[in-house]
Amino acid sequence: SQKIEQNSEALNIQEGKTATLTCNYTNYSPAYLQWYRQDPGRGPVFLLLIRENEKEKRKERLKVTFDTTLKQSLFHITASQPADSATYLCALDFYSSASKIIFGSGTRLSIRP
Amino acid sequence: GAGVSQTPSNKVTEKGKYVELRCDPISGHTALYWYRQSLGQGPEFLIYFQGTGAADDSGLPNDRFFAVRPEGSVSTLKIQRTERGDSAVYLCASSQLDGELFFGEGSRLTVL
Repeated sequence: SQKIEQNSEALNIQEGKTATLTCNYTNYSPAYLQWYRQDPGRGPVFLLLIRENEKEKRKERLKVTFDTTLKQSLFHITASQPADSATYLCALDFYSSASKIIFGSGTRLSIRP
Repeated sequence: GAGVSQTPSNKVTEKGKYVELRCDPISGHTALYWYRQSLGQGPEFLIYFQGTGAADDSGLPNDRFFAVRPEGSVSTLKIQRTERGDSAVYLCASSQLDGELFFGEGSRLTVL
C-alpha cells in the first residue's frame, strides 16, 4: 500500500533561517502533491499544490519541489518567523481531478525568536 | 457561511451508543471528504463523495461506520456501537475538482 513519510521529530529553527521539511512516498507517483498547515485544534489549511510535471512552485516565502525519481517533495519556508510555527502536512492525490487524497503524519515546526 | 461547517464541535458518548456527525460543505463544491485524526497523527482517509455517491469508501474501518450525502451537499457520518478506539477528531473537507481541500474545524468525539 502507498506510504508517506514525513520527519516524525519536531524541527526547531532559528527565526530568519530557512526551514526545510521532507515528504517521501513509496510506490506510485501522485498526479498532485499538496502541502497543508495545521495549527493546534484547527483543521488543516491548504498552502501549495504541485503537479507531477512541475519541478518547483513558489508562493511568497514558500517553495515546494517535487522529484518523481527520488519520490520526494521538499517544502521550504524562507526568512522563517515565529508565526510559521505549526504542523505541516503533505498530501498525495493520485488522479488529475478530485479523488482519494492521503496525508502524511506531519512535521511539527517551531521557530524560535 | 463561507467555510465548511461541522457539528457538533464536541461529542462525548458512552461505549455502545450511536453517533452522527454532520458536515456542511462550501456551496457548489461537488467533492466531500471525511477524515479521522488522532493526536500526533495526520488525517486518515475514511470516505470520499463525488456528488451524491460514495466514490471511494475504502478507508471506513469496519461496518459500524457509514456516511451519506443524499442531496449532494450536506453529509452525515454515522457510527454505530461506538468503541473507545473511535475517539478522535473527525474532519470534513470539500473541494472543487482542482484538488485543494477546504477543511472544517472538526468534530471531537470522545467515547467513554
